Amino acid sequence: GESVGLHLPTLSVQEGDNSIINCAYSNSASDYFIWYKQESGKGPQFIIDIRSNMDKRQGQRVTVLLNKTVKHLSLQIAATQPGDSAVYFCAENMEGAQKLVFGQGTRLTINP
Amino acid sequence: DTGVSQDPRHKITKRGQNVTFRCDPISEHNRLYWYRQTLGQGPEFLTYFQNEAQLEKSRLLSDRFSAERPKGSFSTLEIQRTEQGDSAMYLCASSFGMTAGGRTGELFFGEGSRLTVL
Repeated sequence: GESVGLHLPTLSVQEGDNSIINCAYSNSASDYFIWYKQESGKGPQFIIDIRSNMDKRQGQRVTVLLNKTVKHLSLQIAATQPGDSAVYFCAENMEGAQKLVFGQGTRLTINP
Repeated sequence: DTGVSQDPRHKITKRGQNVTFRCDPISEHNRLYWYRQTLGQGPEFLTYFQNEAQLEKSRLLSDRFSAERPKGSFSTLEIQRTEQGDSAMYLCASSFGMTAGGRTGELFFGEGSRLTVL
């Protein structure tokens, strides 16, 4: 069935370094992906999305890479800051489907 | 604040009691979603509305759960005869509805209602 999973449930990086958060998905029919950030006690917040006709998309300090061949998604955060500390989820959606399916999440911790 | 708002933010109840959560979506959004999130897990889909019509329900939504969106604006999620396993964060989200590609598009989440069943 549909599933979105994440490698490495926790990731710890030094402030100023780049972070890479990975996501594996199993539904080959998924063609739209979103990364969400969730801070403690808050709801998920949209970061960036990508459609399957692209393999890379850049935002402000963030880049999402999509490898459809191996069904892998990654989120790169440049020059991580203390405010980047949160749990990051990838979510997938299929054409015509009316809901997002979320993975387990990766907790990102920034060390000073 | 024009985001998604949820009430109450926290609810502690005894097993067997009924609880109700309210969600006010972003006003121009016609889609409203309920998700449940347990500690360390990603949000799990429960149900969604297109205007006032409930169009899909997850198998997670047992018969003790009922959701309504009577006028296509705010929504309520009621849990009857609560069980300890119902303890979770209940998240509401809204969206504009389908994009041109027929996808659900970006969901805007509220802060959630945390339920603790003793």
